[in-house]
Amino acid sequence: AQKVTQAQTEISVVEKEDVTLDCVYETRDTTYYLFWYKQPPSGELVFLIRRNSFDEQNEISGRYSWNFQKSTSSFNFTITASQVVDSAVYFCALRPMDSSYKLIFGSGTRLLVRP
Amino acid sequence: DVKVTQSSRYLVKRTGEKVFLECVQDMDHENMFWYRQDPGLGLRLIYFSYDVKMKEKGDIPEGYSVSREKKERFSLILESASTNQTSMYLCASRGGDRYTGELFFGEGSRLTVL
Repeated sequence: AQKVTQAQTEISVVEKEDVTLDCVYETRDTTYYLFWYKQPPSGELVFLIRRNSFDEQNEISGRYSWNFQKSTSSFNFTITASQVVDSAVYFCALRPMDSSYKLIFGSGTRLLVRP
Repeated sequence: DVKVTQSSRYLVKRTGEKVFLECVQDMDHENMFWYRQDPGLGLRLIYFSYDVKMKEKGDIPEGYSVSREKKERFSLILESASTNQTSMYLCASRGGDRYTGELFFGEGSRLTVL
């Protein structure tokens, strides 16, 4: 089965706290791609990052960082020093190699950053 | 700025009505997608199109059809709307490599069927 699980339905933090959004995936493919998207209140999903299964290096982009661990099938996303503008729904997604058209999304985590 | 535009942000329709959701992209992308977003279920693929006049069923095509007569436009059609089709509908397009290419999304169309 190919599946993405985001167990945290909703997280609420106070501004400047660090927060980690969990993503666990299942696939039998040895080659695949993982993505994170952000959906702000406006509704439009915005691409954040793509990672292929052969690249386990962690990635940092400003206050955002991603921790890919193949051994635990996880691709977690951390926001450091959160800001109110980070409030959104975040989706993790898996693209298996058996279907270039399919992007399997998790159910999303709603992050609320309070001032 | 790249853009995917969905014609209606909010629609209210009655059961049995025919509903058209329009999506236009200005990026000359070959691939276009229609997703449905429901709380707790994430995004589920309804249909996709990899070229003009070409379409493939996604995971939940029942009750829907699509039309792609021009490259930039991808329409989702509900032949006879039902209350269980009340949802947020998201259109997306993709360029570049078919495995690594990112999706560009529209702002969504929230449909309520009474």
